[in-house]
Amino acid sequence: KAGVTQTPRYLIKTRGQQVTLSCSPISGHRSVSWYQQTPGQGLQFLFEYFSETQRNKGNFPGRFSGRQFSNSRSEMNVSTLELGDSALYLCASSLGRGDLNEKLFFGSGTQLSVL
Amino acid sequence: GENVEQHPSTLSVQEGDSAVIKCTYSDSASNYFPWYKQELGKGPQLIIDIRSNVGEKKDQRIAVTLNKTAKHFSLHITETQPEDSAVYFCAARAPGGYSTLTFGKGTMLLVSP
Repeated sequence: KAGVTQTPRYLIKTRGQQVTLSCSPISGHRSVSWYQQTPGQGLQFLFEYFSETQRNKGNFPGRFSGRQFSNSRSEMNVSTLELGDSALYLCASSLGRGDLNEKLFFGSGTQLSVL
Repeated sequence: GENVEQHPSTLSVQEGDSAVIKCTYSDSASNYFPWYKQELGKGPQLIIDIRSNVGEKKDQRIAVTLNKTAKHFSLHITETQPEDSAVYFCAARAPGGYSTLTFGKGTMLLVSP
């Protein structure tokens, strides 16, 4: 079974630009979550999508948005990029059934550098 | 919301020694506690997890213990090997958050041959 696939692997953008990251979950998984990982803050939750609907959201500004398609693939968009947005963006998928021990599986991430 | 503290931030051991990483959580309702291993250039990989109704779980050289009263849980790695060198993250899930996890800041484990 293929794992969580994230593209692209690396991105370099300049301040003020926008960027779109893509995530394909494990086959059969209907929930996709996004996390931002930085050396200082660790892994911070951005949002979670299930059945094309955002059902949970972290404390990030509105510049960060996402969506999920009918095949469970998800995209994340960051507009008006700031230097502080430089980070590893991780996508994680799960079945989405809300079981007590529902496991979250991560992709390798997209490393975004904002210059 | 949930807050997870993790210690130590770095841990150096000799090959064959044991390593222990500790985490505390703030929300007494949290009911699921996974541990992830992240190697350089890769995403976090789930290595073991424990539910709130279980006190201890083992899988070969790794084990996790949970003390609900004290709100802390620990990862134990025995007979460490150089390939165990990585960053380890603990996490907790509170009810109502769907699959959302709150992570500790991570522990860099270095195993010297």
